Amino acid sequence: EVQLVESGGALVQPGRSLRLSCAASGFTFDDYAMHWVRQVPGKGLEWVSGISWNSDIIGYADSVEGRFTISRDNAKNSLYLQMNSLRADDTALYYCAKRGAGSYLDYWGQGTLVTVSS
Amino acid sequence: EIVLTQSPGTLSFSPGERATLSCRASQSISISNLAWYQQKPGQAPRLLIYGASSRATGIPDRFSGSGSGTDFTLTISRLEPEDFAVYYCQQYGSSLSITFGQGTRLEIK
Repeated sequence: EVQLVESGGALVQPGRSLRLSCAASGFTFDDYAMHWVRQVPGKGLEWVSGISWNSDIIGYADSVEGRFTISRDNAKNSLYLQMNSLRADDTALYYCAKRGAGSYLDYWGQGTLVTVSS
Repeated sequence: EIVLTQSPGTLSFSPGERATLSCRASQSISISNLAWYQQKPGQAPRLLIYGASSRATGIPDRFSGSGSGTDFTLTISRLEPEDFAVYYCQQYGSSLSITFGQGTRLEIK
């Protein structure tokens, strides 16, 4: 059974940093690209960042480019999101999601909540 | 950047009715890059349709997807009570970028 478990969400002050983690199991982690998607409670889905299976290809949304860094450790079956210079509008539930065999996200974690507030 | 527009934002139907949800892209996209998700309150999104018309594993056949170019449709043939949720279309672009529509809420009339 595929499982994606996010952790690291917290209440943090504006301008500070936070690192999110996603522990993956139930599939061959280093075969698939992985993504972070966020959602402000009650609002829509916003793609944040994606990383290819071997970290060769990385993409970011304009809203986080230069502040967030995605990475993965295939030996640990883990995905990460380093978030720096956090702003109030980064407040959201952050989901880790696995790319499927095609151009879609076939499994999602339950999310970890990041709240940026003074 | 491709923009996906889902309209209207909310649709009201009764159980048993047929619902058609629209997703329009600002420019033509490959059908292989178009997917639909369902999200219920307090839950993560669930993949329904990929490649514009292929049902994901375990998705009932009352859900179907169609379309090409800039216009795509998700159809639910006979609404069940558990189908009332928010639906998002998604486009998968180059450099792993992903765009979501703003969502259509399906509510019970």
